[in-house]
Amino acid sequence: EVQLVESGGGLVQPGGSLRLSCAGSGFTFSSFAMNWVRQAPGKGLEWVSYISSSSAIIYYADSVKGRFTISRDNAKNSLYLQMHSLRDEDTAVYYCARRHYSTSSFDYWGQGTLATVSS
Amino acid sequence: DIQMTQSPSSLSASIGDRVTITCRASQSLGSYLNWYQQKPGKGPKLLIYAASTLQSGVPSRFIGSGSETDFTLTISGLQPEDFATYYCQQSYSTPYTFGQGTKLEIK
Repeated sequence: EVQLVESGGGLVQPGGSLRLSCAGSGFTFSSFAMNWVRQAPGKGLEWVSYISSSSAIIYYADSVKGRFTISRDNAKNSLYLQMHSLRDEDTAVYYCARRHYSTSSFDYWGQGTLATVSS
Repeated sequence: DIQMTQSPSSLSASIGDRVTITCRASQSLGSYLNWYQQKPGKGPKLLIYAASTLQSGVPSRFIGSGSETDFTLTISGLQPEDFATYYCQQSYSTPYTFGQGTKLEIK
């Protein structure tokens, strides 16, 4: 069974940093591209970042470019999102999502981890 | 960026009804359009990819159609477990934008 489990969320002050993790299991993690998607409280979904299976290709949303860094460790079946210079508007549930093997849809999602930016 | 406009934003329906949700893109997507279902407190679930292909394990009452800029998700014979929020998403180019969502509620 494919599972994605996020962790690392919490309360941080504006300007602070947080590192999110996503542990994958039940599939060959190193063969799949991955994404981070966030959802502010009561709002819709916003794509944040993409990383290819080998880490060779990385994309970011303009809203996080220069502040967030996506990475992965295929030996540990793990995906990361390092977030710096956090703002109030970064408060959201952050989901990791696996890219479908043959299309660019997101076929499996985790349950999410909440990052709250507040003083 | 490609803008995705989804309608309606909310919808009330009864068990057994047929409902349709529409999604319009600001530029042609070919068939790079996906539909997701999200229930409170859960991550989204992929229902339809490539505009009309049913994801494995998803009931056949979910039907996706359309191409280029206009797409629809139809649910035939609503079941209690279908009441949720639905999102369209374009995967043609980054940033991979989503529609604003359609909340399907029980009448």
